[in-house]
Amino acid sequence: DVKVTQSSRYLVKRTGEKVFLECVQDMDHENMFWYRQDPGLGLRLIYFSYDVKMKEKGDIPEGYSVSREKKERFSLILESASTNQTSMYLCASSLVGPAPWDTQYFGPGTRLTVL
Amino acid sequence: RKEVEQDPGPFNVPEGATVAFNCTYSNSASQSFFWYRQDCRKEPKLLMSVYSSGNEDGRFTAQLNRASQYISLLIRDSKLSDSATYLCVPAISGGYNKLIFGAGTRLAVHP
Repeated sequence: DVKVTQSSRYLVKRTGEKVFLECVQDMDHENMFWYRQDPGLGLRLIYFSYDVKMKEKGDIPEGYSVSREKKERFSLILESASTNQTSMYLCASSLVGPAPWDTQYFGPGTRLTVL
Repeated sequence: RKEVEQDPGPFNVPEGATVAFNCTYSNSASQSFFWYRQDCRKEPKLLMSVYSSGNEDGRFTAQLNRASQYISLLIRDSKLSDSATYLCVPAISGGYNKLIFGAGTRLAVHP
């Protein structure tokens, strides 16, 4: 079974703090993704990485950065947290290839509250 | 206009009922289609892919109408365990399969 784990289930931070969210997958997947999910909106892609040290912006990258130093680990960084970044953050990973090989598997999510 | 439109529900149905969810998508470049299921406070999990000819997986049937840019999911003989939010997810193929998530339709099955 694919396993995607995230460092925290719940996190409370203050405005202006630097926040690190970590994601680890154990299936040697090339692709890793960070999404945020807000009520009434679908999951929105923040950043995507297709290889170590490679990254691409998703639809809402502003205020975020990412790091992928090892294949299994993908970190999301909020350089200076703001209240509008309060959200559920979901990490996902997938293989490279045609469907269904590239099915995305999600971690349990981190619910971040910025006060 | 949202890229993926779904009725948010909730759909409240008794056990054993048949229920159908619809979804429309706006990006005609979408080439793959999926339904994901998300339980309360959990991560989304792939329920099934949707093929052009329509496909069935046990009690679940998915249909695709590319001309109308419309996807449907039918659940027969609803179980209490089917209670969840169902996410309609078209994907745009390129370097990777970019998933475009709908906000979901909530289903509540009651005894």
